[in-house]
Amino acid sequence: NAGVTQTPKFRVLKTGQSMTLLCAQDMNHEYMYWYRQDPGMGLRLIHYSVGEGTTAKGEVPDGYNVSRLKKQNFLLGLESAAPSQTSVYFCASSPENGGPRGTDTQYFGPGTRLTVL
Amino acid sequence: AQSVTQPDIHITVSEGASLELRCNYSYGATPYLFWYVQSPGQGLQLLLKYFSGDTLVQGIKGFEAEFKRSQSSFNLRKPSVHWRDAAEYFCAVGADKLIFGTGTRLQVFP
Repeated sequence: NAGVTQTPKFRVLKTGQSMTLLCAQDMNHEYMYWYRQDPGMGLRLIHYSVGEGTTAKGEVPDGYNVSRLKKQNFLLGLESAAPSQTSVYFCASSPENGGPRGTDTQYFGPGTRLTVL
Repeated sequence: AQSVTQPDIHITVSEGASLELRCNYSYGATPYLFWYVQSPGQGLQLLLKYFSGDTLVQGIKGFEAEFKRSQSSFNLRKPSVHWRDAAEYFCAVGADKLIFGTGTRLQVFP
């Protein structure tokens, strides 16, 4: 049981390049999330998904797109990377516990460190 | 607006000393409160959570937290800190989504 995995672990991009970050979970969780972590700002939600085929915007969605074609995978895309997107990106998943969304325990991946030059 | 404040950016304690990390929240309804820990180079791991009931919540690794509605606080405590506890700690409030505080970095001296 690998939990939540993220690919790649590190990446350096030039401004304007595109890339996709992959998140995979093997816990059959309904909900998945993408966060970015910047110094002094905690974690901020980029996009999330409440089930296969669904996506929704979080707090800082601009410049990112996501897809959830399979329940176990949640992809985060950067179409035209900018230096402001230099950050550590975390994926998380949580089961549906029947309560309000956001109240479930979230399980985090190890993160992807992205640098945009 | 919903928000979480962790007033201490960095705390240093000696191994064996007691610890209290502060967390204040702003939320219009009954809050769902969490503490997560992040070890260097790792993702976040849940320490404990409060939904309702007993206001003193026990978590993993010997941590506990107390919910005080009158003070809008959910402070994390540990009676005796170990060097392995050195990490960054995040308080979060669960609403439609999790809202994280900016974190407190804990350093432990031997």
